[in-house]
This record gives sequence, C-alpha cells and structure tokens, in this order.
Amino acid sequence: SYELTQPPSVSVSPGQTASITCSGHKLGDKYAFWYQQKPGQSPVLIIYLDSKRPSGIPERFSGSNSGNTATLTISGTQAMDEADYYCQAWDSNTYVFGTGTKVTVL
Amino acid sequence: EVQLVESGGGLVQPGGSLRLSCAASGFTFSSYWMSWVRLRQAPGKGLEWVANIKQDGSEKYYVDSVEGRITISRDNAKNSLFLQMNSLSAEDTAVYYCARTKQDGYSSRYFDYWGQGALVTVSS
Repeated sequence: SYELTQPPSVSVSPGQTASITCSGHKLGDKYAFWYQQKPGQSPVLIIYLDSKRPSGIPERFSGSNSGNTATLTISGTQAMDEADYYCQAWDSNTYVFGTGTKVTVL
Repeated sequence: EVQLVESGGGLVQPGGSLRLSCAASGFTFSSYWMSWVRLRQAPGKGLEWVANIKQDGSEKYYVDSVEGRITISRDNAKNSLFLQMNSLSAEDTAVYYCARTKQDGYSSRYFDYWGQGALVTVSS
C-alpha cells in the first residue's frame, strides 16, 4: 500500500519560515494536498492541487511537489499556525494521509 | 455556507454496533462524493480515510481494515450521510469526520469541507 512520511515535529520561531516535507514514491506524479488541524478542531484544507490555496487561506501558506517529495512552506509563521499538518494523496482508489507533523511556534 | 454536522457517536462495547449520521446543508448534496475520515485517539495516530460513496450511491470504497464491518450509505432526499459500524474493536476508537469530497479527475481527489466530528469510543 502507498505510504506518505512526514517528520513528527517541526519547531519554528515567530516570523520565520517553516518547511514540512511529505515523502512518497513518485509523489510528484500525483497531486498533493495539505490540511491543518488545531487541537479540538476539524481539519481544514490549506493547499490543494500541490500549490493552490482555497479562499480565505493566508498567502503565507504555499506548497510544491516534485520527485518523491511535497513541501508545505509557512512564511512569516505566526503563533496561530501552531497545529498538526497532514499531507494527502490519492492512490489506487485510496485516500492516503501522511503521518502528520506537529508544528510548534517557539 | 457549507455545513456538515455529525451525530450518533458514543461509548460502545467491543463487538458492538453504532450508526453515525451526517446532516449536510449549504450545497447541493447529491452532486458530491462524500467520505468518512477518522482521527484515531491512540498516541501517534493520525488521520485515516475510512470510506467514500458516489453521488448516487452506486459506488462505495473502503479502507481494508474496515471492509466487511462498516457500511457507508446516503439519502440524497434528506441530505444525509451514514456510517453503519459493526463488530467494533478498540482499534476503531476515533473521532469520525464527515467530509465533502472533491473528485475532479485522476489523482485530484481530496476533502474540501469537514464536519466537527463524532467521537466513537470502543471499551468495556
């Protein structure tokens, strides 16, 4: 079965840039999606089709996808960005989520 | 405004059954695939897609771990999505989310709106 691997945690200082990777076999041949989930809340779609932002998502969130790795970048990280982030792709009639990354804003 | 409201969660004994419901509003329910996604409560666990269903209910897909125990269904006349769960085990303990599903083409398949979730706890 297809697997997507993310680092368990990423720490970033306020105002700095955080990068979260998502690795999977030939992930660049598929579309990658990203969700943000804050404690006690539902997941929110923040990036779709590798790099597009839904309406209402701040410009500081951006995405890319090439080779075996998709990357979510948070520029000018704010305290409100502290959350769990999950990547997602679709493979063989299955929606696959990454292992998740906890972003801590120190 | 798109709204998805789950109900039916609770405490159930191992081997028991539970039926989750999701009431949809703010969009044309019958025009979308719909899915259930769960967030397991065990440490280190994350999001897991459980099942999805086509607009007219003619196609249904499940993650291997629930195949044969869980059934997804929908009632377009009532803008409702359901998840019938049988033979539950501790591994099924999770928050279950109803999610509107976008399927725009091959590989372009994702969840654009989520409900608030329903907690299912399987314990004796």
